[in-house]
Amino acid sequence: DVKVTQSSRYLVKRTGEKVFLECVQDMDHENMFWYRQDPGLGLRLIYFSYDVKMKEKGDIPEGYSVSREKKERFSLILESASTNQTSMYLCASSLTGTVNTEAFFGQGTRLTVV
Amino acid sequence: QQQVKQSPQSLIVQKGGISIINCAYENTAFDYFPWYQQFPGKGPALLIAIRPDVSEKKEGRFTISFNKSAKQFSLHIMDSQPGDSATYFCAASRRYNNNDMRFGAGTRLTVKP
Repeated sequence: DVKVTQSSRYLVKRTGEKVFLECVQDMDHENMFWYRQDPGLGLRLIYFSYDVKMKEKGDIPEGYSVSREKKERFSLILESASTNQTSMYLCASSLTGTVNTEAFFGQGTRLTVV
Repeated sequence: QQQVKQSPQSLIVQKGGISIINCAYENTAFDYFPWYQQFPGKGPALLIAIRPDVSEKKEGRFTISFNKSAKQFSLHIMDSQPGDSATYFCAASRRYNNNDMRFGAGTRLTVKP
């Protein structure tokens, strides 16, 4: 059974803290993604990675960075958390080079910044 | 700016009715249009998808209709059931590599018994 695992379901952090969200996939997928989900705005792409150490900005990268040192792991970093980063964060992965490629999602991390 | 526009934001349907969700896209490079279904507390999961070389795809009670000239596509849920109550997202990407996949804003569907 394919699996994308996010390290935490719920996190509460203080303003100004450095926050790490971790994601691991066991499907040997090349692509990995970080989205944030907010009511009325849907899923907005923060960053994606198509290979180890490779990354591309999505639509809302400001205030975030990412790290992909191993193929199976993709980390989202909030350098200095702010209250407007309170949200649901979703990690996903997918294959490349196959037809009609499907994205597989983790269960999400609900982050609250106080 | 949202590259994929989805409506309505919420939808309430009686059991047995038809649920219709609409999406429009801008980027003509997109050639793969999936729909994802998300239940509370879960991540989205692929429900059904269509390529632009067909105008309709049906899987059970779920049908995607696609209008390439209008750059629009829609999801129809026939004989809607309370178990279909979820949030639905349309998306658009390229078929062979979805690292540019973009999602709509989502539709929260409630099917009343």
